[in-house]
Amino acid sequence: DAGVTQSPTHLIKTRGQQVTLRCSPKSGHDTVSWYQQALGQGPQFIFQYYEEEERQRGNFPDRFSGHQFPNYSSELNVNALLLGDSALYLCASAKQGLNSPLHFGNGTRLTVT
Amino acid sequence: GDSVTQMEGPVTLSEEAFLTINCTYTATGYPSLFWYVQYPGEGLQLLLKATKADDKGSNKGFEATYRKETTSFHLEKGSVQVSDSAVYFCALSDAIIQGAQKLVFGQGTRLTINP
Repeated sequence: DAGVTQSPTHLIKTRGQQVTLRCSPKSGHDTVSWYQQALGQGPQFIFQYYEEEERQRGNFPDRFSGHQFPNYSSELNVNALLLGDSALYLCASAKQGLNSPLHFGNGTRLTVT
Repeated sequence: GDSVTQMEGPVTLSEEAFLTINCTYTATGYPSLFWYVQYPGEGLQLLLKATKADDKGSNKGFEATYRKETTSFHLEKGSVQVSDSAVYFCALSDAIIQGAQKLVFGQGTRLTINP
């Protein structure tokens, strides 16, 4: 049973460019969340998707957007990249419900130069 | 808003030593509390959790007790191994108010165990 898979594993972009990160949730899971983890810091919640809609959003600008597809997979898009967007981006999935634990992927390491 | 504060690292111990990593939290509701572990090059793995006051979460020899009176959730292990070397994150979620998917993390504590 595959867990949460993310692609690509590493990415290098130039300031001002746009990037798309992808996530496939664990089998049986229907909700996906995205987190940004800066070097040496704890992850910060970006947003959550369920039933193809953004349900919650953290304190991130509109340059960060996402999508969830009918098969529950998800994309994170970041426009107009800044140097400060360099981080590990983690996807987490769960079965929607109050006590369902999150399962995290290994992340995509984004470097903005 | 909700927040989590962990003891600063890095922490270096010898094998078989006793481990404590302190974690305190601030929350307006009644959060669930978690410890996650991150091994090099990997994502986060849930280590243990507690959903209400006085609950004790335990896994792989680690344990933590949800203390509402001190707003704490300290991680302990009686005898650490080299394989326990990793970064440990304390986190909370307030499922009722904010939904179970929004975790608030501490800054992490890097643990190194020397043989």
